[in-house]
Amino acid sequence: DAGVTQSPTHLIKTRGQQVTLRCSPKSGHDTVSWYQQALGQGPQFIFQYYEEEERQRGNFPDRFSGHQFPNYSSELNVNALLLGDSALYLCASSSPGTSQETQYFGPGTRLLVL
Amino acid sequence: QKEVEQDPGPLSVPEGAIVSLNCTYSNSAFQYFMWYRQYSRKGPELLMYTYSSGNKEDGRFTAQVDKSSKYISLFIRDSQPSDSATYLCAMKRGSSASKIIFGSGTRLSIRP
Repeated sequence: DAGVTQSPTHLIKTRGQQVTLRCSPKSGHDTVSWYQQALGQGPQFIFQYYEEEERQRGNFPDRFSGHQFPNYSSELNVNALLLGDSALYLCASSSPGTSQETQYFGPGTRLLVL
Repeated sequence: QKEVEQDPGPLSVPEGAIVSLNCTYSNSAFQYFMWYRQYSRKGPELLMYTYSSGNKEDGRFTAQVDKSSKYISLFIRDSQPSDSATYLCAMKRGSSASKIIFGSGTRLSIRP
């Protein structure tokens, strides 16, 4: 049973560029959440997608957008990259309605903005 | 003030010691409490998941939640070098709540 997978593993971009990160949830999960983890910090919630719609959003600007596909996979897009966007981007999947809605994390995509 | 406070460490203990990791929080609406372990350059891995106050044990790990004090703990017995990692406390309001709030993590090193 494959867990949460993310691609690419590493990415280097320059300021002002745009980036797309991808996530495939754990088998049987239909909900995907995205987190940003800066070096030495805990993950911060960006947003969550369920049934192809954004269900909840954290305190991130509109430069951060996402999408969920019918197969439950998801993309995170970041426009007009800033140096401060350099971080590990984590995807977590879960399945609402189960007795214990825990979120399982992928390995992350490490983004470096120069 | 952050919603969740966690001592960043680093914490270094000898193999076999009992480790105590702690977090405090300010939002009394939190009902679900978790501990994640994160190895270097990896995603967080769920270790413990508890609801409301009380204790939960799983092998060498024990999680404690004291909602009256807004204080949660993770104890690791018979610590092993393979336990060396960053430990993140985390919490959320409801069982179906979308947003998990994390502490900043405590770096733990177990010396052989």
